[in-house]
Order: sequence, then C-alpha cells, then structure tokens
Amino acid sequence: KNQVEQSPQSLIILEGKNCTLQCNYTVSPFSNLRWYKQDTGRGPVSLTIMTFSENTKSNGRYTATLDADTKQSSLHITASQLSDSASYICVVSPYNFNKFYFGSGTKLNVKP
Amino acid sequence: EAGVAQSPRYKIIEKRQSVAFWCNPISGHATLYWYQQILGQGPKLLIQFQNNGVVDDSQLPKDRFSAERLKGVDSTLKIQPAKLEDSAVYLCASNSLGSRLGDYGYTFGSGTRLTVV
Repeated sequence: KNQVEQSPQSLIILEGKNCTLQCNYTVSPFSNLRWYKQDTGRGPVSLTIMTFSENTKSNGRYTATLDADTKQSSLHITASQLSDSASYICVVSPYNFNKFYFGSGTKLNVKP
Repeated sequence: EAGVAQSPRYKIIEKRQSVAFWCNPISGHATLYWYQQILGQGPKLLIQFQNNGVVDDSQLPKDRFSAERLKGVDSTLKIQPAKLEDSAVYLCASNSLGSRLGDYGYTFGSGTRLTVV
C-alpha cells in the first residue's frame, strides 16, 4: 500500500534554532518526492522536488535530503524565523507522476 | 506565469444548503485535481480530471458531491446538501504532462475555506 508518514506531528522551536522534519514512504515505484510549506488558510507552496538520483536539494534555508534505498527524506530548516511557522507536507509520486500521496504534515511553530 | 485560481476564498453556509467552488488551472495544464483538507490533516483527493475526463473519483462522496470540467479548462466542485463534516479547505491543483525532468508543474491554488454551521 502506498503510504507517506511524517514525524513529528508538531514541533515548537525558538527563533534562530535549527530543526529537522522526517518523511518515510512506501510509494513504489518511486518517481519524485516534494516538500511543501502550507501557511494557515493557504494552499501548499513547493519548497523542493527530488528525483531518484538526487540526495540533497536546497532552497535558501531549507535543505531536503533523500535516501531512496531506505525510503526516507528529511527537511532541515536552518536559523528558523517566525515566518517559518506553518505546516510542512511531504508528497511522494510514483512513476506515473500524475498520482500524489500526501503525508499528514508536521506543524511547526517558531516562537520568539 | 499565472497560478491556479480559486474562488471564493471563504464560504460560510448552513447545513443542508448547497455550495459551489470554482477553479481555473494554469494555462495548458491537462490534469486538474480537487482535494479536501480537514484541519490538521493532509489533503485527500476527491477527483482527478485529465482534460475533461475523470481519471479517479473513488473518494468522492457522490451522493452529495459533484464536479465537472466541461471544456477541459476550468472546473467546478459542488456540494449539495452540505453537512457539518464538510467543513474543510478545498484545494484545486493542476499539473502538466510531459514536464521536463525536475520541473514538474504540479501547483496548488490558495484554496476555499468552507465552514458549515
């Protein structure tokens, strides 16, 4: 069964600190994995997209890693800012890339 | 490039009333998705269109929900009659087949927040 699991469910950190969010998946055959940021009441916005051959991809203070062998991905946020407070959703697509499997998201709260 | 447009942004209705949402995808995107996102959860696919044909509507509650994409461009999602548990954000997304590797066009709209009272 194609599933995407994220952890932790929620996270509170102080401004300026780093954090790492996890995503494990069983989607097969794998095509790509995306991380999205979703502000409350808004649609998800893409942060990174990684294919099978990519191990790391950065977008500013966001760095995503992918281990296709263990089917795990992480999103590392460096020097967090208050504006990073949002839900972060992991989305995995099988080789027929018109299908998308969503994790339940990690709700991040950055406090001053 | 214009994004995925959705309207309205917010809607409050009483239970048993009807409501409709509208989505205009990115120009040229053949695939259009409607998702329901309940607070604290990931999006759940309701229906997927390829041009004006339905690819997947297995999770659409067909007794009360309907969707159409008559000309293969914009789409409407209707709920009739609404129930309290339909309170959620309804997201529209579109995608382009044949996107070059690493540049997938899958993009979300801002969503419509529905509150049923």
